[in-house]
Amino acid sequence: DAKTTQPPSMDCAEGRAANLPCNHSTISGNEYVYWYRQIHSQGPQYIIHGLKNNETNEMASLIITEDRKSSTLILPHATLRDTAVYYCIVRPFNYGGSQGNLIFGKGTKLSVKP
Amino acid sequence: EAGVTQSPTHLIKTRGQQATLRCSPISGHTSVYWYQQALGLGLQFLLWYDEGEERNRGNFPPRFSGRQFPNYSSELNVNALELEDSALYLCASSSRLGGPDTQYFGPGTRLTVL
Repeated sequence: DAKTTQPPSMDCAEGRAANLPCNHSTISGNEYVYWYRQIHSQGPQYIIHGLKNNETNEMASLIITEDRKSSTLILPHATLRDTAVYYCIVRPFNYGGSQGNLIFGKGTKLSVKP
Repeated sequence: EAGVTQSPTHLIKTRGQQATLRCSPISGHTSVYWYQQALGLGLQFLLWYDEGEERNRGNFPPRFSGRQFPNYSSELNVNALELEDSALYLCASSSRLGGPDTQYFGPGTRLTVL
């Protein structure tokens, strides 16, 4: 079972920031938070991941609370092309080895509206 | 850098036939994962190959099988096709070198069983 809880759907106005929350209250110390998105019928696209510090890349920012029990993915200026299902995934990091498969929940369907 | 590629894009089979799906990972990636996404359902983990070996499989019957070749490409075979095998089959690849192994997905193969 997925170890995260996300709202099933959210709306965002084009050009505004989209803030997608994720609850992972049972996260362990060696577990990372990953975000992927899936645009209709395409393969999931990696967005960003983090352990405990806030992270930013060209696509988004990831804000992780100090207790690591929740996080927020921020798309700073949402466009219509950002309409997708966004998945928040928690997975362990084991030094020297792969962490195996991803466990996808239902995600948040983000609709960006003009 | 080329991403994960999958072939064919679409595949139509009849019940009882066999289907073979192919995946080429990102250059330098040694792990390949297969996922199934049936219509209206979430992404379900199928198989994980690393360095030519099957490392783990999801809760699928033995008629779902595959292999990984010396060049790290992989194929997924589905025998005795059933109607409910109709789905989008996604392949992802990752590298274990340095840090968490982020999985990158291909565009998928849409399998239709008639």
